[in-house]
Amino acid sequence: GNSVTQMEGPVTLSEEAFLTINCTYTATGYPSLFWYVQYPGEGLQLLLKATKADDKGSNKGFEATYRKETTSFHLEKGSVQVSDSAVYFCALYTGGFKTIFGAGTRLFVKA
Amino acid sequence: DAGVIQSPRHEVTEMGQEVTLRCKPISGHDYLFWYRQTMMRGLELLIYFNNNVPIDDSGMPEDRFSAKMPNASFSTLKIQPSEPRDSAVYFCASSPGTSGEYPYNEQFFGPGTRLTVL
Repeated sequence: GNSVTQMEGPVTLSEEAFLTINCTYTATGYPSLFWYVQYPGEGLQLLLKATKADDKGSNKGFEATYRKETTSFHLEKGSVQVSDSAVYFCALYTGGFKTIFGAGTRLFVKA
Repeated sequence: DAGVIQSPRHEVTEMGQEVTLRCKPISGHDYLFWYRQTMMRGLELLIYFNNNVPIDDSGMPEDRFSAKMPNASFSTLKIQPSEPRDSAVYFCASSPGTSGEYPYNEQFFGPGTRLTVL
């Protein structure tokens, strides 16, 4: 079946460090891929998306590239800020209105 | 738009009591989802509706859980009787589906209800 696996957290970084959160997926067909972010005390919100192979989604300095050959969609940011502290969820959608979410990776950024 | 509205934001109750969580989706969204989030199990989909009709309730953990959507602007998730293991954050999300500006089932989440059952 369809599934998403992302690296376990928490990830703790100093401000201005480089961030990578790994995400791999298993899916039939050609899924759309997403990263959602959950700030403390809030619901999830869409951060970025990619809908076909080799697409790069980007938003707020975050990027992720849809790699079909490695079934991956790793999240990266060149220089993190304290305000990026949150939980990040990788997700996929293959149709049928049910989005599959990963377990989430908590990021702490220290000043 | 006010976004997805959930009430109450926090609920503390005693084991055995009935709990009702409420959700108002974004106007015009045809899909509504109820999720539960815990540290141990992460984010779990409980049930979702399309045009007020329940489509998939396979994630509802037990008969103690029930959900309704009497109209396009209101949904409830009820737990009766509640148990301490039901303590979690419950999220409602809505989606416009796969048409128009959001063809990929982007989901818009409410702020959640933190439920504590003592």
